[in-house]
Formats: sequence, structure tokens, C-alpha cells
Amino acid sequence: DAKTTQPTSMDCAEGRAANLPCNHSTISGNEYVYWYRQIHSQGPQYIIHGLKNNETNEMASLIITEDRKSSTLILPHATLRDTAVYYCIVSPRDDKIIFGKGTRLHILP
Amino acid sequence: GAGVSQTPSNKVTEKGKYVELRCDPISGHTALYWYRQSLGQGPEFLIYFQGTGAADDSGLPNDRFFAVRPEGSVSTLKIQRTERGDSAVYLCASWVGGPGELFFGEGSRLTVL
Repeated sequence: DAKTTQPTSMDCAEGRAANLPCNHSTISGNEYVYWYRQIHSQGPQYIIHGLKNNETNEMASLIITEDRKSSTLILPHATLRDTAVYYCIVSPRDDKIIFGKGTRLHILP
Repeated sequence: GAGVSQTPSNKVTEKGKYVELRCDPISGHTALYWYRQSLGQGPEFLIYFQGTGAADDSGLPNDRFFAVRPEGSVSTLKIQRTERGDSAVYLCASWVGGPGELFFGEGSRLTVL
């Protein structure tokens, strides 16, 4: 019973913005939206998290809809090194992080 | 400082043997997670420690799996009577708490022959 729904895979051209969608229609008011990614043969890597407001850091931007039922992770200028599985997770503060199947993002040269 | 360290990086064992996997978290991180990951799947939650105690062990698949964190730092995942289905990468992550970043180790790859 995954709390999030993500496309299985996506392609993006190198240098373009990669927009990864995530649906979380049953999100509760105290649940945060987290994004992690996992490059082949490595442990998952934290990208960003948010509660209500849009967030930006050196890696990505997170856009959360006003009703909080969906969000989009934006990698502004994708490179080949961004090829990875991207996981969208919702979880309350101080609770366990449960991973789903994620989106396999292919950056095309 | 050092990140999360997991040993061994690779372990090959025979069916029925006992295995211990070790996780050395980032210093000062009170929370520690264990996950396992099979090929093509996302990490599967096993257990989560706050300090020395298991805050949530609902992901442990059966009583062959057990984890300890006696001094609130290093943790050991113990698997008894290993089965071929236990073959996976076992990931450890530590966390300072609150909404924020889990720091993962590189994992221990377990192969049960």
C-alpha cells in the first residue's frame, strides 16, 4: 500500500530540465514529501524535502501543489550523472522512511 | 567526518549459516535504519533504532532476523539459518532526527549459496 505513485521510467535529454512527477493524494497534514535518488550500485542519496512550500537547493527544486496531493522534482540542467532511480516518499516527522519502486530516469546524450 | 560505514562490503555464505552485518553510523546521529534491497526493487524497511532501542522493527521478515545497537552507536544485523532468499544488499542509514536527510552507507551484499 504505497503512499505515492510515480511513473516507472522517464527519459530526458542532457542539458534539459528533468521534471519528475509524484502523486500523493492521501497525504496527511503532518507528512513531509521527501525525494531520494539511487545511482547504480550505490546507497540512496537524499535530494530535498518539503512540507507545504516550494523548496530549492543546489541539487534540485521541489514544487508542491497547493492541495499537497502531488509534487514535482525538477533537475534544472540534467547531466548524464543524473541517471538514477528517483524515489518520492511521504512520511511524518521523526517516522520511518518507506521507499516505493521509484522512477528510473534516463538522461540521453 | 566519515560517512556511514558498513562491513563487510560483500559476504558469501552457505545456506543455514549465521551472518552478522555491521553498521557504523555518523557520530552523533541518534537514529539508525536497516533496509534490504533486492535486484530491481526499492529499499525495503527492516528496523529503525532511536538510541539503543528499536523504535520500529515491523519490517523484520521473521524471527531469523535480529538487530542490536547496545551503546546507541554501532549496530549489528544478525541473520540466523540463512536461506537463499536472504540474498540481497543490506543498507544502513543514520539520521540526526527531525525532517531531514538519511545518510546511507554503501551496503553489504549478502549472497547465500
